[in-house]
Amino acid sequence: DAMVIQNPRYQVTQFGKPVTLSCSQTLNHNVMYWYQQKSSQAPKLLFHYYDKDFNNEADTPDNFQSRRPNTSFCFLDIRSPGLGDAAMYLCATSRVVGGTDTQYFGPGTRLTVL
Amino acid sequence: TQLLEQSPQFLSIQEGENLTVYCNSSSVFSSLQWYRQEPGEGPVLLVTVVTGGEVKKLKRLTFQFGDARKDSSLHITAAQPGDTGLYLCAGERGNKLVFGAGTILRVKS
Repeated sequence: DAMVIQNPRYQVTQFGKPVTLSCSQTLNHNVMYWYQQKSSQAPKLLFHYYDKDFNNEADTPDNFQSRRPNTSFCFLDIRSPGLGDAAMYLCATSRVVGGTDTQYFGPGTRLTVL
Repeated sequence: TQLLEQSPQFLSIQEGENLTVYCNSSSVFSSLQWYRQEPGEGPVLLVTVVTGGEVKKLKRLTFQFGDARKDSSLHITAAQPGDTGLYLCAGERGNKLVFGAGTILRVKS
């Protein structure tokens, strides 16, 4: 089945220790998104790629970076995680950019920062 | 301040009861989506509403988009334990989705 896969499902890191979260898709979608979802809060868009074009949200901290080496894979790098970065990180894909186009979400990676 | 306010935040009901959850904003959206998210999983799209006043039905779920396209409601008839989850609304704004904080629904058998 075509799907969005996130690895790992659970990640524990230490304060200040860089961490990378992975997302892959078999849908061959052009757009890949990264969202941050904290407990009892709305998912918050961090950035998205349309093909190789990177689009950063204005309020995304510099601590968060992303790479998309090919259509299938996208990575979220947190350079120096703080306690406030503990959250569920959701990857999503869509064919095109646009709210009416369905976004398909992965199961998320829950990040714990010690 | 959330752009999309969802209410109630939490809802715990018995199997067989009906319920309505709301998604409200002071802004107009060109479309609005409803998602359901189960614990440990990503959100799954339930429906997209585009036209003001539009009503869509998905089995026991009825979705309505407000006439002014600023609000939406989700009504569940005869809730079942399998309906348990986090219900998120999301509005299209500048080719992006803006999510509400969600309503956590628990249906007890």
